[in-house]
Amino acid sequence: GIQVEQSPPDLILQEGANSTLRCNFSDSVNNLQWFHQNPWGQLINLFYIPSGTKQNGRLSATTVATERYSLLYISSSQTTDSGVYFCAVRGQGGSEKLVFGKGTKLTVNP
Amino acid sequence: NAGVTQTPKFQVLKTGQSMTLQCAQDMNHEYMSWYRQDPGMGLRLIHYSVGAGITDQGEVPNGYNVSRSTTEDFPLRLLSAAPSQTSVYFCASSYSWSGVSKLFFGSGTQLSVL
Repeated sequence: GIQVEQSPPDLILQEGANSTLRCNFSDSVNNLQWFHQNPWGQLINLFYIPSGTKQNGRLSATTVATERYSLLYISSSQTTDSGVYFCAVRGQGGSEKLVFGKGTKLTVNP
Repeated sequence: NAGVTQTPKFQVLKTGQSMTLQCAQDMNHEYMSWYRQDPGMGLRLIHYSVGAGITDQGEVPNGYNVSRSTTEDFPLRLLSAAPSQTSVYFCASSYSWSGVSKLFFGSGTQLSVL
């Protein structure tokens, strides 16, 4: 099945810093989503982005499908950005399964 | 509009007990799924459904049963709980299974099996 690797596994920032999270996948995809899990465990959908670029406030994401990676950019980070960021993909092989990476744990210190 | 509702939020079981985790969505979503989350493992798919009456196995289906008798409900059954099933369980749904659709999660169930 399709493999998903996220990097870095852990990231510590000072408030106000920018960061880039990466998601690599092993096969062509027709569905790619980014999620944020806050410190209370709630999972929030950030982006549906199988290709191209999207922006939502301080967050933006870019997926280069031909090179099999996606990037999540966080600008001017805030302590509320802390948590775990997951990338999830579904391969174009016809499976209905959305496969998750192991996540990047982000800690933003005041 | 409640979204995806999971119950209970917390549960403690003894080895060998059975229970059902409930999941309901009020968004008329076609696709529903169950994930478990363990430290360092990300989210792993247990079972999923692409519509009422249709279910299939995910990555880690052993020890779990599901059914989908209505569009709204997708319960997860543990027939004989084992300590290895201690985990946080998430139900998720999306409008379409065919790809162009965001996935929405419930708030999770923290299960401990002693």
